[in-house]
Amino acid sequence: AQRVTQPEKLLSVFKGAPVELKCNYSYSGSPELFWYVQYSRQRLQLLLRHISRESIKGFTADLNKGETSFHLKKPFAQEEDSAMYYCALAGMFSGGYNKLIFGAGTRLAVHP
Amino acid sequence: DVKVTQSSRYLVKRTGEKVFLECVQDMDHENMFWYRQDPGLGLRLIYFSYDVKMKEKGDIPEGYSVSREKKERFSLILESASTNQTSMYLCASSTGTLLTGELFFGEGSRLTVL
Repeated sequence: AQRVTQPEKLLSVFKGAPVELKCNYSYSGSPELFWYVQYSRQRLQLLLRHISRESIKGFTADLNKGETSFHLKKPFAQEEDSAMYYCALAGMFSGGYNKLIFGAGTRLAVHP
Repeated sequence: DVKVTQSSRYLVKRTGEKVFLECVQDMDHENMFWYRQDPGLGLRLIYFSYDVKMKEKGDIPEGYSVSREKKERFSLILESASTNQTSMYLCASSTGTLLTGELFFGEGSRLTVL
């Protein structure tokens, strides 16, 4: 079955420490993967997409097809990075339509 | 700037009531979606629509229906609310293909069913 797995519900780090939020996926085709972020009292918004190979707010994510992973990384966490992070996969699912499915989310807490 | 507006931020309803959640987007997007957001479960797709008067079931459509009579408006309907439908409901819209596109979300509607 197609799914997105984020194994950590909460990741707690100190400011300046490296951060890695894990995401694994299961999909039979060629996946398109994204990270979305929700800051406190704000809307859910796109952080980055693998196809763009971009770095946003110091975050990067590399698609590893061999390990079916798309982990989100940042070398030095900042307090303003504290938020809920969702990994998402877009693909063709049953019914013939493209859909975006999300993982359960990981809450990142960066302490001073 | 894309704006997705959910008219009700907080609702409290009783079991068995009919509930309407309204969503309007102002960027002429073809695609609209309803998700529910629950702790530990993430976002789960309820229904989606890729065109006016078109609707498709998502992963958890039971107990819900939708209406898309106009391009900018996508309504979620709970015909007979139940306590297990207490949740945060998120509406989103997008243009083009989902494979490279971006979803724009509303602020959410928090529904409590007593």
